[in-house]
Amino acid sequence: AQSVTQLGSHVSVSEGALVLLRCNYSSSVPPYLFWYVQYPNQGLQLLLKYTSAATLVKGINGFEAEFKKSETSFHLTKPSAHMSDAAEYFCAVIEGGYQKVTFGTGTKLQVIP
Amino acid sequence: DGGITQSPKYLFRKEGQNVTLSCEQNLNHDAMYWYRQDPGQGLRLIYYSQIVNDFQKGDIAEGYSVSREKKESFPLTVTSAQKNPTAFYLCASSLGQGRNTGELFFGEGSRLTVL
Repeated sequence: AQSVTQLGSHVSVSEGALVLLRCNYSSSVPPYLFWYVQYPNQGLQLLLKYTSAATLVKGINGFEAEFKKSETSFHLTKPSAHMSDAAEYFCAVIEGGYQKVTFGTGTKLQVIP
Repeated sequence: DGGITQSPKYLFRKEGQNVTLSCEQNLNHDAMYWYRQDPGQGLRLIYYSQIVNDFQKGDIAEGYSVSREKKESFPLTVTSAQKNPTAFYLCASSLGQGRNTGELFFGEGSRLTVL
């Protein structure tokens, strides 16, 4: 079964600093990888999706992620953090004949003014 | 606007009571899902349905039941058999039926607290 691992349950960055949230997938190459964002007491919203068309994927709100097969990674980055980026971020993978999406345990991003 | 509506947003239940969480979508999606969210554990799949009148257990189905009588609706019942039901419950949908790209559309969630 496919799985993803998120390193770091909490990450703090200063406003304007680089954001790096880590995600590693299981050894077999998944068809799709995702990053979702969740603001407090809300549902999740898709940030970006990897579909094998391009290894560097650009998403909403200035976020992007790079698929690296050699490192089995799909880390999320943003060059300059904004206060509004404070939220919880989830990496996810599709499996089960495209029927099931499995989520990582999430990383809470704190942005310090 | 198309989307997913979950109700109620907050729900309190006494131990031993069953409770049903509503999930309705007007996106014309075939597939619907229920996830449970607990702090530090991410989202765990309870049940999912790819088509009307059919559903499959997810990773933590014990103590829960669902039905899919209509394409638009996928209610979740938390039964008294669920040992630790206090959690945030999220309903989601996707295109499904061979069109699935994995992108999920989520409702706003229902927070269940057992007193």
